[in-house]
Amino acid sequence: DQQVKQNSPSLSVQEGRISILNCDYTNSMFDYFLWYKKYPAEGPTFLISISSIKDKNEDGRFTVFLNKSAKHLSLHIVPSQPGDSAVYFCAAMVGATNKLIFGTGTLLAVQP
Amino acid sequence: DVKVTQSSRYLVKRTGEKVFLECVQDMDHENMFWYRQDPGLGLRLIYFSYDVKMKEKGDIPEGYSVSREKKERFSLILESASTNQTSMYLCASRDISNYGYTFGSGTRLTVV
Repeated sequence: DQQVKQNSPSLSVQEGRISILNCDYTNSMFDYFLWYKKYPAEGPTFLISISSIKDKNEDGRFTVFLNKSAKHLSLHIVPSQPGDSAVYFCAAMVGATNKLIFGTGTLLAVQP
Repeated sequence: DVKVTQSSRYLVKRTGEKVFLECVQDMDHENMFWYRQDPGLGLRLIYFSYDVKMKEKGDIPEGYSVSREKKERFSLILESASTNQTSMYLCASRDISNYGYTFGSGTRLTVV
């Protein structure tokens, strides 16, 4: 049973526009959420995170929004750049378990 | 910067072989993890270790075992490789004081 879901396998946007990547989860015990970015033939790299006590966290061009009632989070990238083209994974964690549960990933393509 | 090093980028093994995937981290992290990444399935947790000589099964442990004799090294063992274990294998480590994982670059294993 997939506890963390990314329903869009791929997304294509124009350079300079906003990219919105979505993630849904089913486990209400998750209390920390992270986004990772992965280029081909490389390991995932940490992008941004949010605690369940917040509804927004911003870091430069990247903003993560959390809607606990809907069990939904989203990653906004503004403005999108061609170098942002990668697979983005949403991940969630329950407190002290130390296990990250990952979604299936969304392939973002930013067209010049 | 934390480094997580996976010994091989690409491996080709025959069905039935015993395969060792090695992972070393240089930041004295307590927690280490093995994931596999497959198209459409995201990252799935195979095994993890909270500390030396400790190990826990993840979501898909069948056909795998692990060894953690030293804090810096976490080995994944495929007891008898099968074609359905062809995948990208990713090792990660984590300091218990923060949530983020640091991943290695991955090992692309092909079983023929």
